[in-house]
Amino acid sequence: DTGVSQDPRHKITKRGQNVTFRCDPISEHNRLYWYRQTLGQGPEFLTYFQNEAQLEKSRLLSDRFSAERPKGSFSTLEIQRTEQGDSAMYLCASSPTGLNQPQHFGDGTRLSIL
Amino acid sequence: QKEVEQNSGPLSVPEGAIASLNCTYSDRGSQSFFWYRQYSGKSPELIMFIYSNGDKEDGRFTAQLNKASQYVSLLIRDSQPSDSATYLCAAGGGAGGTSYGKLTFGQGTILTVHP
Repeated sequence: DTGVSQDPRHKITKRGQNVTFRCDPISEHNRLYWYRQTLGQGPEFLTYFQNEAQLEKSRLLSDRFSAERPKGSFSTLEIQRTEQGDSAMYLCASSPTGLNQPQHFGDGTRLSIL
Repeated sequence: QKEVEQNSGPLSVPEGAIASLNCTYSDRGSQSFFWYRQYSGKSPELIMFIYSNGDKEDGRFTAQLNKASQYVSLLIRDSQPSDSATYLCAAGGGAGGTSYGKLTFGQGTILTVHP
């Protein structure tokens, strides 16, 4: 049973650079979610997809953030013109379609902005 | 007011004791509730989920839900040092204009089980 896979595990970049993260969900899961977590806080919702459709995007999400899931399988999250405040753990989760389905998380990508 | 609020920690209990973790939520439309365990530097791991009022037991873990009081709890019986982690409470399926997709998390409670 393959879980949610995220790549890379760690990313260090300079302020102003663009970064892209990848998430491969559990194969039979149609829904894919992105969250961001900073130290001492719970994960904060960013966006989610059902198959290839992006169904919701957080109002807190800056225009510098964009996510795609072009074929309804893996997803990418891109951050343009990174800022110090973008330093966080970016978590991907997946679940089956339907109400109240538990979400299973990947190991996350830790982003550090120099 | 935070949408999901957890009892302030850290919580320290002796090995073998019962650890009690509490959570309140503000969106009455929330339909599903989840407890995740997160070890330092790791991602959240699902422990329990509950949808209906009452208790749900799984091994040493019991989740309790009271929708009238907007209260969720997690009891860990016979606590072990390996249970030491941050416990995250999450609510999903809110009807107040929110989607059925996202989870809203509390800030987490740090639990330490000492030998």
